[in-house]
Amino acid sequence: DAGVIQSPRHEVTEMGQEVTLRCKPISGHDYLFWYRQTMMRGLELLIYFNNNVPIDDSGMPEDRFSAKMPNASFSTLKIQPSEPRDSAVYFCASSLGRPEGDTEAFFGQGTRLTVV
Amino acid sequence: QKEVEQNSGPLSVPEGAIASLNCTYSDRGSQSFFWYRQYSGKSPELIMFIYSNGDKEDGRFTAQLNKASQYVSLLIRDSQPSDSATYLCAVRGGGADGLTFGKGTHLIIQP
Repeated sequence: DAGVIQSPRHEVTEMGQEVTLRCKPISGHDYLFWYRQTMMRGLELLIYFNNNVPIDDSGMPEDRFSAKMPNASFSTLKIQPSEPRDSAVYFCASSLGRPEGDTEAFFGQGTRLTVV
Repeated sequence: QKEVEQNSGPLSVPEGAIASLNCTYSDRGSQSFFWYRQYSGKSPELIMFIYSNGDKEDGRFTAQLNKASQYVSLLIRDSQPSDSATYLCAVRGGGADGLTFGKGTHLIIQP
């Protein structure tokens, strides 16, 4: 399996523009997580899905952020409008079952977002 | 608010020595504890997990858990330069599916 695939790997956009990050989880995995990593705040859970249904979006910073999972093989995280403080590395992770030691959450390579 | 605290480092350890990484957490309901390793510019990867009080060994790595003190640690024996990375402590609370991460400890193994 190719692992969790995220695109794009790097994104530079101007403040106010819409940004869409994409994630393809590992086939068969039923949990999908979106995380954001910054130096100041570390790795933060934004939202996660179970069987394509959003379960907990309490980590989404504000209404400018939205996430969807239209099917088991694709998810998007959208920021509209983007702001410089959204600059971070965004990771998608998936797991087969709830993340436990023997059901590891596998991370994608991340999308480095820079908003100028 | 669940919190996971780690010393950011850098922690510098000579090659061949034991590296000791520590983590405290605030949620007493936490049930599962994880250590991830993250190389610069890469994604986190799972090294160890532990559920029960005590020690758990896997090769050169030992995870230690003390729920009463809300404390988790990771020991790396015979440290190698390839162990140089940021180590993230993560906790999963009861009823929750997502992980709460600490900010990580930057470990440097000096040849």
